[in-house]
Amino acid sequence: ETGVTQTPRHLVMGMTNKKSLKCEQHLGHNAMYWYKQSAKKPLELMFVYSLEERVENNSVPSRFSPECPNSSHLFLHLHTLQPEDSALYLCASSQDPGGGGEQFFGPGTRLTVL
Amino acid sequence: AQSVTQPDIHITVSEGASLELRCNYSYGATPYLFWYVQSPGQGLQLLLKYFSGDTLVQGIKGFEAEFKRSQSSFNLRKPSVHWSDAAEYFCAVALSGYSTLTFGKGTMLLVSP
Repeated sequence: ETGVTQTPRHLVMGMTNKKSLKCEQHLGHNAMYWYKQSAKKPLELMFVYSLEERVENNSVPSRFSPECPNSSHLFLHLHTLQPEDSALYLCASSQDPGGGGEQFFGPGTRLTVL
Repeated sequence: AQSVTQPDIHITVSEGASLELRCNYSYGATPYLFWYVQSPGQGLQLLLKYFSGDTLVQGIKGFEAEFKRSQSSFNLRKPSVHWSDAAEYFCAVALSGYSTLTFGKGTMLLVSP
C-alpha cells in the first residue's frame, strides 16, 4: 500500500449504531487530519494530530471520537450519529502539522446515516 | 478569520479551450496558497502551491496559478483543457507554515467535447 488509505470506502449505519473509520498513512508523516466534506460546503477540518497528540479540535460534537494510536494510524469512532452527519470523511497526512507543507489525502469514506 | 471565495460553482469548458478558475482570499497578510483537485470518488491531490517568490507558479498536469497581491487572488489556469481534467477544484489558504488549511467551496469543472 502507498499513500493514504481509508477503510471502509462506504458505510451505512443507523442512528444507534457504533462504527469506526480507519485511516493509515504509509508516508512516514508526523501529522494526520480528519476532514468532513458535505455537499455545497467547504471542507471542514475536524481534528488534527501531531505525533499522536491531538493539537486541534474544531468544536466537533462528542459523537465523533478520534483516536491516534501511532503516527501511521488514525481512527474516527462514531456513535449515535444524526442524518446530517452523512458526508464524505477524508483523512490526510503531512510531514509536519499545519498547512505549510503539502497534505496528502486518502480517498475518503462515504458515510450515510439512516 | 481568513476566508476563501471561489465564485464559480460550476464551469463548462470545451476540450482544447483555455481555463481560468478564480480564487480570492480574505486576510491581511500574504497567506500560503494552494490548489487541489478532486476526481470523482477520490481524495484531494495537490496541483500547486505558493509561499513566496515568483508570483507565477507552475504545477502538475500543465496547470499554473498567478498570485496577485493587489487583488487578493490566486487564479488557476490551463492553456488547453483535456477531458480528463473534469473534476472539482479547491483553493485553500494557510496563515503560515504551521496553521491549518482553510478551503473554498470548490469549483466543478465540466469539459464538453
